[in-house]
Amino acid sequence: QKEVEQNSGPLSVPEGAIASLNCTYSDRVSQSFFWYRQYSGKSPELIMSIYSNGDKEDGRFTAQLNKASQYVSLLIRDSQPSDSATYLCAVSADRGSTLGRLYFGRGTQLTVWP
Amino acid sequence: EADIYQTPRYLVIGTGKKITLECSQTMGHDKMYWYQQDPGMELHLIHYSYGVNSTEKGDLSSESTVSRIRTEHFPLTLESARPSHTSQYLCASSESKGAPLSKKLFFGSGTQLSVL
Repeated sequence: QKEVEQNSGPLSVPEGAIASLNCTYSDRVSQSFFWYRQYSGKSPELIMSIYSNGDKEDGRFTAQLNKASQYVSLLIRDSQPSDSATYLCAVSADRGSTLGRLYFGRGTQLTVWP
Repeated sequence: EADIYQTPRYLVIGTGKKITLECSQTMGHDKMYWYQQDPGMELHLIHYSYGVNSTEKGDLSSESTVSRIRTEHFPLTLESARPSHTSQYLCASSESKGAPLSKKLFFGSGTQLSVL
């Protein structure tokens, strides 16, 4: 079982719509959760981090965390063509020999069409 | 401006060559990492360092080696490159002070390596 699972997509939404990206993880001890955006041919850049159950909003982005269900999501409101990218979910390893490291999902490719 | 730099951006070499991928950061971060990424696949951790003279192998079996003689510098070396080493190599760093335990990673621009 992979540590972090994401739907690879592609996810295609029209401009102005809400894009919903989902991620599940296997280790109940994980405490830190991150969403990275990666444009084609570029390196990942952090867009959201979340550590507590509930929602965290930053502009058009909302991260949602449910530790009981081991589920993290990212909502992008008023999607723009510039949001077209691959979104990587990353989850911390917080025990044993992997303490302090991050595990990444394969990413969900999002396309926002005008 | 604080940043993390990788060179070269692209590298095409022949089989059997020795290569070193450079990574430097000016943010004073203790932790540095090397990830390998193939198209459509997860980032796989191949090496990491939590400080000077500290290096560890990651999850992905790798024939590369790393060194950490200075805080800001974390080069990766392949003694004898093979076509199977063709991939994107990403260097990253993070700070280590304070909570939470796992910190945000800052990535360099990557090195796309092609071994013929």
